[in-house]
Amino acid sequence: QVQLVQSGAEVKKPGASVKVSCKASGYTFTAHYVHWVRQAPGQGLEWMGWIYPNTGGTNYVQKFQGRVTMTRDTSISTAYMELSSLTSDDTAVYFCARDSERYQVLNRFDPWGQGTLVTVSS
Amino acid sequence: EIVLTQSPATLSLSPGERATLSCRASQSVSTYLAWYQQKPGQAPRLLMYDASNRATGIPARFSGSGSGTDFTLTISSLEPEDVAVYYCHQRSSWPQTFGQGTKVEIK
Repeated sequence: QVQLVQSGAEVKKPGASVKVSCKASGYTFTAHYVHWVRQAPGQGLEWMGWIYPNTGGTNYVQKFQGRVTMTRDTSISTAYMELSSLTSDDTAVYFCARDSERYQVLNRFDPWGQGTLVTVSS
Repeated sequence: EIVLTQSPATLSLSPGERATLSCRASQSVSTYLAWYQQKPGQAPRLLMYDASNRATGIPARFSGSGSGTDFTLTISSLEPEDVAVYYCHQRSSWPQTFGQGTKVEIK
């Protein structure tokens, strides 16, 4: 079945960077856009951007421009999200999610990874 | 950016009752609206897309309606496993945004 498995929880100091991985299985990795969405503790959902594994093309929300980098390694069907210059406001669960349709970005997220908690604390 | 406002914040109902969740957009999103269910400690799951289409595997007791700025998610007969936070999501306009969620509880 289609599955996204993310890397484990991270604790980082302010100013550091974090890189979260998202390993896909059960489908053709290069055929679907991968999105990243975060959720601060007790809060709602915030979309960060996407990567198209076929080409490596990316699109980021302006809020995160200059701080976020989304990459992929097609040989191991894994997408990555790196966020730099971390502050306490970046403490959140970070989710990857597959776009539901092949070869197009519909911004319809199905399924999601299990989430990765990133804690930023001095 | 389009703001999605969900109401009520919390809905407390008995099993078998009908649940009606509302999502209002600050400007028209046509029918480019989805609903996600997030159970405690889990990732969100796609429930409905394009306002009224059930995602694969979603029970028929879930239905969605609306267009433009006003949308409704209905659970026709609440089950204990429906306890969750429900989020609406618009993909009509950049950047895509989510509502703040409605928490559904069992009395």
